[in-house]
Amino acid sequence: QVQLVQSGAEVKKPGASVKVSCKASGYTFGSYGITWVRQAPGQGLEWMGWISAYNGRTNYAQKFQGRVTMTTETSTSTAYMELRSLRSDDTAVYYCARGNGQFDYWGQGNLVTVSA
Amino acid sequence: DIQMTQSPSTLSASIGDRVSITCRASQSISGWLAWYQQKPGKAPKLLIYEASKLQSEVPSRFSGSGSRTEFTLTISSLQPDDFATYYCQHYNGYTWTFGQGTKVEIK
Repeated sequence: QVQLVQSGAEVKKPGASVKVSCKASGYTFGSYGITWVRQAPGQGLEWMGWISAYNGRTNYAQKFQGRVTMTTETSTSTAYMELRSLRSDDTAVYYCARGNGQFDYWGQGNLVTVSA
Repeated sequence: DIQMTQSPSTLSASIGDRVSITCRASQSISGWLAWYQQKPGKAPKLLIYEASKLQSEVPSRFSGSGSRTEFTLTISSLQPDDFATYYCQHYNGYTWTFGQGTKVEIK
C-alpha cells in the first residue's frame, strides 16, 4: 500500500535551518510529484512548493522563494524539504503529499517548533 | 495570484442534514479544483478532484460541482464521521492554493 512516512518532530532556534524527510513506498516514486504543505497551530493549510520525483523540477510558493529547497533521492524514494532562516512563525506541522494535481496520499506530518 | 474564498467559515448542522460548502475563485479556474477533509491532528484526506470526481473509497454522500469561479461540496446526509474541517484547493501550472477552510460542527 502507498505510504509516505515523515521524520520526527524538530525543535529549532530562530535563524536555524530544518530539513524534513518524506520516505515513499508502495508505488513507483518517479511517477508522481511530491508537494509540501504546512499548517500553523489552529490555522489552515498553506502550500509551500512541489517537486517532480521524475526529474527534480521544482516550483515554490513565492512566499518561500529563496528560503526553501526541495530535493529528492531516487535511490531511497525519499523527498526532502529544507527551510532556512527559521522564525517563530514557521512553527507548524509540515506535511508531504503525493500528486501532480490533486494529492491523494499524505504523510503523517512533522511538527517543527521554532523557539529561542 | 488566484485567491480561493470558502463560505461559510463555520457551519453548524445535525446528523442527517444536507450541507453545502462554497468555494469561490478570484478568476476562472476551469475545473481544476479538489476538496479535502481534515480532522484534528490528522493529515488532510482527498474527497473530490477535478471539481466533481469522487476519490476512491470516499462515500457517495459526498459530491462536488461547479465550474469557472464557483464550486460546491455537498454532503447529502451528514454522518457523525463527517464533523471536520473542509478545504478547497485550486491547482494549475504546478501552483496550488487552498481556501481558508470550513469547519462543520455539531448543532
